[in-house]
Amino acid sequence: AQKVTQAQTEISVVEKEDVTLDCVYETRDTTYYLFWYKQPPSGELVFLIRRNSFDEQNEISGRYSWNFQKSTSSFNFTITASQVVDSAVYFCALSSSGYSTLTFGKGTMLLVSP
Amino acid sequence: GAVVSQHPSRVICKSGTSVKIECRSLDFQATTMFWYRQFPKQSLMLMATSNEGSKATYEQGVEKDKFLINHASLTLSTLTVTSAHPEDSSFYICSASHRLINTDTQYFGPGTRLTVL
Repeated sequence: AQKVTQAQTEISVVEKEDVTLDCVYETRDTTYYLFWYKQPPSGELVFLIRRNSFDEQNEISGRYSWNFQKSTSSFNFTITASQVVDSAVYFCALSSSGYSTLTFGKGTMLLVSP
Repeated sequence: GAVVSQHPSRVICKSGTSVKIECRSLDFQATTMFWYRQFPKQSLMLMATSNEGSKATYEQGVEKDKFLINHASLTLSTLTVTSAHPEDSSFYICSASHRLINTDTQYFGPGTRLTVL
């Protein structure tokens, strides 16, 4: 069975602080995909990143960066110099290759104050 | 690209009525569409997986006769909540996967907030 754990239920930071959202996953599959989605107060889920299990290179996109470590089954997400607009619930998710059902974590609510 | 729309965005109905929610992939053909529900401050719960032209696959505990799913084309899936009751009030979100590329990535619609009085 697959499982995604986001241990941080809620994080509060002040603008310009860096913040890391943790994600730990469990799967027996050798090929799988990891995702991060952002859900702002409006409710729509916004796709942020997809990473396959064979690609452990870290990725940076603007203020966002992701650290994938298979050894610890973690796929952490860092926002550098956070902004108020980053306030949202962030979900980490996992799927098996060729079978696109997603297993979601419970989400981490990030509140960035001015 | 990869835009998914839902209609309506918000609906209020009386107990016992049926409500239909549409999910459309606007700029791509979706092999598969998914329906989720989300209660306040909780994660998304998958209700069913829908492939164009075939019957939907429902998750355990989801009543197929209550939540009717029709996936008539590669760009449209509908969820009908039949004989809705207050406990069906929730946020319903659909998603779609590209037919030809990135089949493991789901793109989500903006959601439909259902309130049953």
